[in-house]
Amino acid sequence: SQKIEQNSEALNIQEGKTATLTCNYTNYSPAYLQWYRQDPGRGPVFLLLIRENEKEKRKERLKVTFDTTLKQSLFHITASQPADSATYLCALEGWSSSYKLIFGSGTRLLVRP
Amino acid sequence: SQTIHQWPATLVQPVGSPLSLECTVEGTSNPNLYWYRQAAGRGLQLLFYSVGIGQISSEVPQNLSASRPQDRQFILSSKKLLLSDSGFYLCAWSVASGLQETQYFGPGTRLLVL
Repeated sequence: SQKIEQNSEALNIQEGKTATLTCNYTNYSPAYLQWYRQDPGRGPVFLLLIRENEKEKRKERLKVTFDTTLKQSLFHITASQPADSATYLCALEGWSSSYKLIFGSGTRLLVRP
Repeated sequence: SQTIHQWPATLVQPVGSPLSLECTVEGTSNPNLYWYRQAAGRGLQLLFYSVGIGQISSEVPQNLSASRPQDRQFILSSKKLLLSDSGFYLCAWSVASGLQETQYFGPGTRLLVL
């Protein structure tokens, strides 16, 4: 069955450092991979989308990589700030599953001041 | 600009009671609409999605149902709630253009079934 894995343990880093979050998937051939941010008690907010034929995508302090051979995406936040503290979800969209995203369970990021 | 509304924000219901959660979208036409449930510390579970009025696809068998009586209105219902229905319910919409469908989420409804 299709499976998306994100580290369930919180990532705790010092302000100013780079945060790196991992999303691994199995039994899936995604066309697109998306990253969302979710604050406690709120709905997720879209951050970045990367296509299967793209290696890397950047947006301000955010960078996403997508390795279809390793079946893995890395999400980086450079110069992290306490305001970046949140849960980050990855989501996959497959070629045969239009309209639907499959979400990982998310990784909580804590940035210490 | 587009906005999505959900209500109520919080709901406490006894087991066996009915449920109706409403979601409306403004500023767009013919959106795809979605209902998700999120258990504490867990990911999003897709419950229903709709690509048009009256068109509902169910992802998970359960005692919940969904309806789309109007283009931008999506309703989640249950005739008799179970304890296991407790969770955080999220409505989302996306542009109906096929792939690359970024989803935009509402503020959510926290449901506690006692």
